[in-house]
Amino acid sequence: SSELTQDPAVSVALGQTVSITCQGDSLRSYYASWYQQKPGQAPVLVIYGNDNRPSGIPDRFSGSSSGNIASLTITGAQAADEADYYCNSRDSDGKHLKIFGGGTKLTVL
Amino acid sequence: QAQLQESGPGLVKPSETLSLTCTVSGGTISSYYWTWIRQSPGKGLEWIGYIYFSGSTNYNPSLKSRVTISVDTSKNQFFLRLSSLTAADTAMYYCARDRGEYYDSRGDAFDTWGPGTMVTVSS
Repeated sequence: SSELTQDPAVSVALGQTVSITCQGDSLRSYYASWYQQKPGQAPVLVIYGNDNRPSGIPDRFSGSSSGNIASLTITGAQAADEADYYCNSRDSDGKHLKIFGGGTKLTVL
Repeated sequence: QAQLQESGPGLVKPSETLSLTCTVSGGTISSYYWTWIRQSPGKGLEWIGYIYFSGSTNYNPSLKSRVTISVDTSKNQFFLRLSSLTAADTAMYYCARDRGEYYDSRGDAFDTWGPGTMVTVSS
């Protein structure tokens, strides 16, 4: 089975740019999606297919992937972006299992 | 726009079986992978498994021996059964829609979630 590794916590100054990374061998073969979760709420999809943004998600959110690392970038972070962020992809065994990263808590200073 | 709503008991005793229902409204259940995900208090997200509308299933290997996911397309509902409960199964349980395709991960996305239902395992 595979693992997706995320930094537990990241901080960014208001209005600055921050990248949250997700590392795992399965990312060499499969696309990543990203989810934002605020306290007491269900997660919300913010990026899928490595770099696709669903309708309604602000364009300050973007995604990329290279090798075994997927990244979520917030350009011009807002106070409303303070949340937990989780990456998701498939397990590398090819059996269509899904795995989440451990999550990154983003603090906007 | 599809909406999902979980329902089930908030408190279950150890060793018993948890049964949860996810009702899909505003859309058809006859497509997509219908998924259960849980989150223990203060912890991250854990994928439990899915059922395709046709009935095929796939489960997290760590839970596979205790999990059954089923679907009733006539009622637009799908279900989770988790047996032999312990305190470690205490969590918020979410149902979600995965719009991905089996042979192409580009579209993998849990694009719709229910609000979640908290389940506590305690005597």
